[in-house]
Amino acid sequence: AQSVTQLDSQVPVFEEAPVELRCNYSSSVSVYLFWYVQYPNQGLQLLLKYLSGSTLVKGINGFEAEFNKSQTSFHLRKPSVHISDTAEYFCAAPPEAGSYQLTFGKGTKLSVIP
Amino acid sequence: EADIYQTPRYLVIGTGKKITLECSQTMGHDKMYWYQQDPGMELHLIHYSYGVNSTEKGDLSSESTVSRIRTEHFPLTLESARPSHTSQYLCASRQGNTEAFFGQGTRLTVV
Repeated sequence: AQSVTQLDSQVPVFEEAPVELRCNYSSSVSVYLFWYVQYPNQGLQLLLKYLSGSTLVKGINGFEAEFNKSQTSFHLRKPSVHISDTAEYFCAAPPEAGSYQLTFGKGTKLSVIP
Repeated sequence: EADIYQTPRYLVIGTGKKITLECSQTMGHDKMYWYQQDPGMELHLIHYSYGVNSTEKGDLSSESTVSRIRTEHFPLTLESARPSHTSQYLCASRQGNTEAFFGQGTRLTVV
């Protein structure tokens, strides 16, 4: 079964600086990949998704991610962060081909410093 | 805007009480899920359903039960709440392999 690994549990970054949140998945089969954001005491909100097609995916709030099959990665990037981006970010994917479940990474806490 | 609703948002209840957490979606999605999440931690799948009258246990063992009598409704029940059940419970739904939509969550505290 596929696992999803988020390499950083916490990422502090200054306001207006760029940020990259890393996500690696363990399988090389066809994948569907997702990034979600969770604000305090809220559910998860979809940032972006990769189902097929272009490997560069643009999402909401200025975020984008690049699917890299050779490196089995799906890193999330933003060129200039705002205070309001402070939240928990989760990478997700099906645990295996054909599964309708979603396996989530352990999350990365992004803290934007004024 | 996702149309999936969870009630209550917050619940404080005494040990031994029976509780039901409600989850409803108006999108007609066939697949629904319950996740348990401790503060600042990862999500653990505790129950899922791929359609009416279909329910399965997830990866994390849970003393809760679920039912799926209608497509739009997927309630979770704890027959006898204990302090170890204190957590946030997140409900989600999806259609096919598209993204999952999440409710706002229910934060449960058992005292």
